[in-house]
Amino acid sequence: QSVLTQPPSASGTPGQRVTISCSGSSSNIGSNYVHWYQQLPGTAPKLLISRNNRRPSGVPDRFSGSKSGTSASLAISGLRSEDEADYYCATWDDSLSGWVFGGGTKLTVL
Amino acid sequence: QVQLVQSGTEVKKPGASVKVSCKASGYTFTSYYIHWVRQAPGQGLEWMGIINPSGGSTTYAQKFQGRVTMTRDTSTSTVYMELSSLRSEDTAVFYCARAVEMAAAHDFWGQGTLVTVSS
Repeated sequence: QSVLTQPPSASGTPGQRVTISCSGSSSNIGSNYVHWYQQLPGTAPKLLISRNNRRPSGVPDRFSGSKSGTSASLAISGLRSEDEADYYCATWDDSLSGWVFGGGTKLTVL
Repeated sequence: QVQLVQSGTEVKKPGASVKVSCKASGYTFTSYYIHWVRQAPGQGLEWMGIINPSGGSTTYAQKFQGRVTMTRDTSTSTVYMELSSLRSEDTAVFYCARAVEMAAAHDFWGQGTLVTVSS
């Protein structure tokens, strides 16, 4: 059972917009930045969104993040087949004095 | 360019220990924290702990307290993660990842090291 809750799966057709949610509490999302990682099959995770909504260099602007209260969301617009991957939210937890990850969402492009 | 290169696949017996290395290059080694993250087969990411290469201070996830030790060698820009008393449930890919602050995003990751625990 992960501290951060994500839906286990999401799907969409090419060109569609998909959102992935991440729910936490006041000790984690509620008081710290949320970051998102993309993990393509068989590869290491890659930073996708930092500090709630910042895209690292090289990340397409089709990816965006937002946060409100104790929840956060990742949105992917103009869905492409290469977006098929696992997506994880993560943040620091003040109560645990450590990092917590969501359980991951497997995105399928139909 | 920034690189974190990890040591190779390990196969260990239950009760043994494993030590995984993570060699950093392309940046100032002591300016970034190094995290260790575990991923069991088909499962999600699990944070194990963090080391500050500058002074060597560490913070471990409660789950791994007493079983994990993170160290660094500034002369070779290498961080080590040792996990003891291995059990089959420890079979996983272990990743190192850097971050500029303890609570900052992990902006570069190692390629991962598979550790298999089997009798």
